[in-house]
Amino acid sequence: QKEVEQNSGPLSVPEGAIASLNCTYSDRVSQSFFWYRQYSGKSPELIMSIYSNGDKEDGRFTAQLNKASQYVSLLIRDSQPSDSATYLCAVNAGTASKLTFGTGTRLQVTL
Amino acid sequence: GAVVSQHPSWVICKSGTSVKIECRSLDFQATTMFWYRQFPKQSLMLMATSNEGSKATYEQGVEKDKFLINHASLTLSTLTVTSAHPEDSSFYICSATKRTSGYTDTQYFGPGTRLTVL
Repeated sequence: QKEVEQNSGPLSVPEGAIASLNCTYSDRVSQSFFWYRQYSGKSPELIMSIYSNGDKEDGRFTAQLNKASQYVSLLIRDSQPSDSATYLCAVNAGTASKLTFGTGTRLQVTL
Repeated sequence: GAVVSQHPSWVICKSGTSVKIECRSLDFQATTMFWYRQFPKQSLMLMATSNEGSKATYEQGVEKDKFLINHASLTLSTLTVTSAHPEDSSFYICSATKRTSGYTDTQYFGPGTRLTVL
């Protein structure tokens, strides 16, 4: 069974610090990886996508992918209280567009 | 851009009635649309995959006769909850996929529809 694993948290970081969110996946043929942010009571919002090994940066967000170790991570620099949300890791195994989601990590940024 | 809308954003209905939820991709044509359900403090649960002009593919345990999906065009999919009961009360979210590279689709989510069945 294809799985995507995340620590449920909560992960608590002080304002201004770096938040590091991790995700592992079991299906080696996975090709596309996504991070979504979901605020309480709202729908998921795409934050980052990454397809190749290495780092991809977008503003305060950096996604990191290591296919050999089957993990993908999201770093949030200069964390803000508005970053407090649940972060969902999602994996796509090929041309089919269906995603496998992790259960999400709840991030709390404290003042 | 990649904007997905849903209508209505919330609905309250009586037990036994049917409710239709619309999902539209506003600025792109969606190769595929998905319907999810999410109960409070729980994970997203995929209900079905919807392709234009073909029958939806339902996940195991999802009753296709209760959750009717129609995908009339590349920008519109509808979910009808038939004979709704209180246990169907949930947050229903659609997503639409956009081809973002030669072989990759990205899912963009609608804002969700909160259904309450009395």
